[in-house]
Amino acid sequence: AQTVTQSQPEMSVQEAETVTLSCTYDTSESDYYLFWYKQPPSRQMILVIRQEAYKQQNATENRFSVNFQKAAKSFSLKISDSQLGDAAMYFCAYSRNYGGSQGNLIFGKGTKLSVKP
Amino acid sequence: DSGVTQTPKHLITATGQRVTLRCSPRSGDLSVYWYQQSLDQGLQFLIHYYNGEERAKGNILERFSAQQFPDLHSELNLSSLELGDSALYFCASSPTDRNEQFFGPGTRLTVL
Repeated sequence: AQTVTQSQPEMSVQEAETVTLSCTYDTSESDYYLFWYKQPPSRQMILVIRQEAYKQQNATENRFSVNFQKAAKSFSLKISDSQLGDAAMYFCAYSRNYGGSQGNLIFGKGTKLSVKP
Repeated sequence: DSGVTQTPKHLITATGQRVTLRCSPRSGDLSVYWYQQSLDQGLQFLIHYYNGEERAKGNILERFSAQQFPDLHSELNLSSLELGDSALYFCASSPTDRNEQFFGPGTRLTVL
């Protein structure tokens, strides 16, 4: 069975600084997707960034980027120039690709990020 | 706004009761997923429907059932409710041509 592990329950960063959230996963599949979701106090689940396993290039979305190490089964999220609005719970998630359609998401337990002004 | 709607936003009920949670996916999305978020279990997948048919089941209790209707909206039925069923229930939808899931705002269920 696939699993996702986030080893940092809580992290803190100074405003405008950079922070990296860690995630490891376990799977025997070769075709899958990885995601980072943000959950602010409103509880809404917001997709931050996604990575296709077949792509070697790391995904980037503005201030958010990932370091995808397929052999090590590692998928970390880097937030640059941290802003107060980045404070939230961050979930790493995995889903298997079923020939073009998406399987269900398997989530890690989350990392609570605090941003200090 | 993700385009996925869920009703009601909040639900308070008593043990032993039955409730129905409703989800409307984004226009054109055929897939609907249900997830449960609780303090002790985290975010867990319950069930996936695609165009009216059940595609996959996760950690869904036998007291829970779901269905997707011809207009693609979905309902999650929870019966014989227990205190431990108190949680945030999310619905997500996914388009056929993109591997992304868009989440609704969730329904917070409190069982007293």
